[in-house]
Amino acid sequence: EVQLVESGGALVKPGGSLRLSCAASGFTFSDYSMNWVRQPPGEGLEWVSSISSTYNYIYYADSVKGRFTISRDNAKDSLYLQLNSLRGDDTAVYYCARRGLRPATFDIWGQGTMVTVSS
Amino acid sequence: EIVLTQSPGTLSLSPGERATLSCRASQSVSSNFLAWFQQKPGRAPRLLIYGASSRATGIPDRFSGSGSGTDFTLTISRLEPEDCAVYYCQQYANSFTFGPGTRVAIK
Repeated sequence: EVQLVESGGALVKPGGSLRLSCAASGFTFSDYSMNWVRQPPGEGLEWVSSISSTYNYIYYADSVKGRFTISRDNAKDSLYLQLNSLRGDDTAVYYCARRGLRPATFDIWGQGTMVTVSS
Repeated sequence: EIVLTQSPGTLSLSPGERATLSCRASQSVSSNFLAWFQQKPGRAPRLLIYGASSRATGIPDRFSGSGSGTDFTLTISRLEPEDCAVYYCQQYANSFTFGPGTRVAIK
C-alpha cells in the first residue's frame, strides 16, 4: 500500500524549533518530488516547500523562506521539515504530499501532524 | 503568483441534485495544470481531478472537471451524502497555489 506517515508535531513556544518527519512506503521514494503543505485550524491549504527527487531543486513559500528547511534521505525513504523561529501563524496541520509523475500534482497525502505555536 | 478564487463559498443541495463549483485564476493556467481536491473533516485532501478534466484513479464518474485558461468548473452530477466536504482547486503550472475552498453541504 502506498503510504505517507508524518510525525514530530508538538506544542512549541514562539521562537522555538521543531523537526517534522514523513516516512514513505509502498513506492520508489527516490523517483518522486516531495512536498509539505499546511492547513491552519479551520482554514484552507497552503503549499510550504518542495524538494526534487535528487535533492537539487528546493523551493519555499515566501511565508517560510529563511526559517524552514526541507530535506530528504532517499536511503531511508524519508522527508523532513526543519521549522525554526516559529510564530503563532505557523500553527497548522502539516501534511507531506507526493508529487506524482502523471498527474504532476499531489496524488498521495499523509494524515498530517499538528504543530501548535503558543506560549 | 497565480491567485485562485472559488465560488460559491458554500453550496447546500439535496441528494441527487447537481453541484457546480467555480474556480477562477488571476492569470491563465498554462497546460491546464488545474486540479481539484476533496477534503472531509479531520482527513487529508484527496485528489479528484487533474489537468482540468481528468479523473484521478478510483474517482466516481459523477465527478467531472472542465474549463481552460482562467475559468474552471467542478461538477458533481448527482450528489450523494458522502460528497459532503470542502472542495479546493489548485494550480500547479507555476509553483502551487490553492483556492480558498467551497463547502458542499447536503440538505
